Amino acid sequence: GESVGLHLPTLSVQEGDNSIINCAYSNSASDYFIWYKQESGKGPQFIIDIRSNMDKRQGQRVTVLLNKTVKHLSLQIAATQPGDSAVYFCAEKSVTGGGNKLTFGTGTQLKVEL
Amino acid sequence: AAGVIQSPRHLIKEKRETATLKCYPIPRHDTVYWYQQGPGQDPQFLISFYEKMQSDKGSIPDRFSAQQFSDYHSELNMSSLELGDSALYFCASSLVGELRNTIYFGEGSWLTVV
Repeated sequence: GESVGLHLPTLSVQEGDNSIINCAYSNSASDYFIWYKQESGKGPQFIIDIRSNMDKRQGQRVTVLLNKTVKHLSLQIAATQPGDSAVYFCAEKSVTGGGNKLTFGTGTQLKVEL
Repeated sequence: AAGVIQSPRHLIKEKRETATLKCYPIPRHDTVYWYQQGPGQDPQFLISFYEKMQSDKGSIPDRFSAQQFSDYHSELNMSSLELGDSALYFCASSLVGELRNTIYFGEGSWLTVV
């Protein structure tokens, strides 16, 4: 992934609303995808993952959708809370292709308004 | 649960000095990854190791080197430091062969070059 500079895309939502964060990935060989949450000055925190043999996976308040045809990934957060405010990254990896490189997409800043 | 441990958390060095960052992966994890993240930027992959052997190489400068030791901890050595090396450096670990190969990150080491 290339550096994208200092201006992250921002999504502002009201507390209690649902949030949808989108991500486009580039490598058609990628078969494993992870969403991370990163708070300021902290390490990326694992949220949810999905393998390419699935279209949808649900966790607690979060759902990841994968559309391999258009190489698109989305993260849905239900009933968004102030504590969800952070930068969210999608990341892709080729597990079956071997190698150990996780490539991050452009982060999205989620701001939850009270 | 044990997480990825990085040290030091903060480091201040002068230009042209050398710095060493350490990473202790989650117990039983056999793969370590190093990332560099500038302010407002996506984490950039530097290098990874699997079973003490270099696995993948990303945008790691020639001035940097890394290795994974017999106890699976890893060190990132940075020489001839430049102002542009100031960043948050993350280490992550995973267990190859685990079905989902989930990758977990440490809290990072802040390097400031003055």
